[in-house]
Amino acid sequence: AQSVTQPDIHITVSEGASLELRCNYSYGATPYLFWYVQSPGQGLQLLLKYFSGDTLVQGIKGFEAEFKRSQSSFNLRKPSVHWSDAAEYFCAVGSNTGNQFYFGTGTSLTVIP
Amino acid sequence: DGGITQSPKYLFRKEGQNVTLSCEQNLNHDAMYWYRQDPGQGLRLIYYSQIVNDFQKGDIAEGYSVSREKKESFPLTVTSAQKNPTAFYLCASSMLAGHGTYEQYFGPGTRLTVT
Repeated sequence: AQSVTQPDIHITVSEGASLELRCNYSYGATPYLFWYVQSPGQGLQLLLKYFSGDTLVQGIKGFEAEFKRSQSSFNLRKPSVHWSDAAEYFCAVGSNTGNQFYFGTGTSLTVIP
Repeated sequence: DGGITQSPKYLFRKEGQNVTLSCEQNLNHDAMYWYRQDPGQGLRLIYYSQIVNDFQKGDIAEGYSVSREKKESFPLTVTSAQKNPTAFYLCASSMLAGHGTYEQYFGPGTRLTVT
């Protein structure tokens, strides 16, 4: 069965500190992987995506993620967090064989001054 | 500007009434989706459509209905049969799988409160 696990429900980091949000997936086909960000009461915005090729992908707002097939992971990183990064982050998996996405339950990020 | 619009932003209804949420996109996407979001549960797929006049049930379709009469529009009706309709509803669209990088684009959402 397809699924996405985000082990951390909530993370608190200090402004300027580095960040890593974890994502593990279970998917039978070749996965397409995504990270989205959601501010309170808003829709989801795509941060970055992985389809093929280089396993380290760069996204918007200074985020990057690394696809590790052997670990079934797609962790999101940022070297220096800004207060405006406080939001909910969702990892998702899909494939080129069907349009359905599977989302994790999200990680809520708090940034303290 | 291309994008997805959802209206209204906030919706209030009495229990027992059906209510329809609007979703329109001008991205020329073939696929459209409805998700329900509850705190701590992430996004759960209600219905999706890959072509006009066709749609498929997602994981939590009971108590909901949709139509896809136009490529640009995918309205969702929350019926009185939905036991717990109060939630945040998100509409999304994408290209079809196999047609390039088909990430989903999301609208701003509609918060439905039923009392």
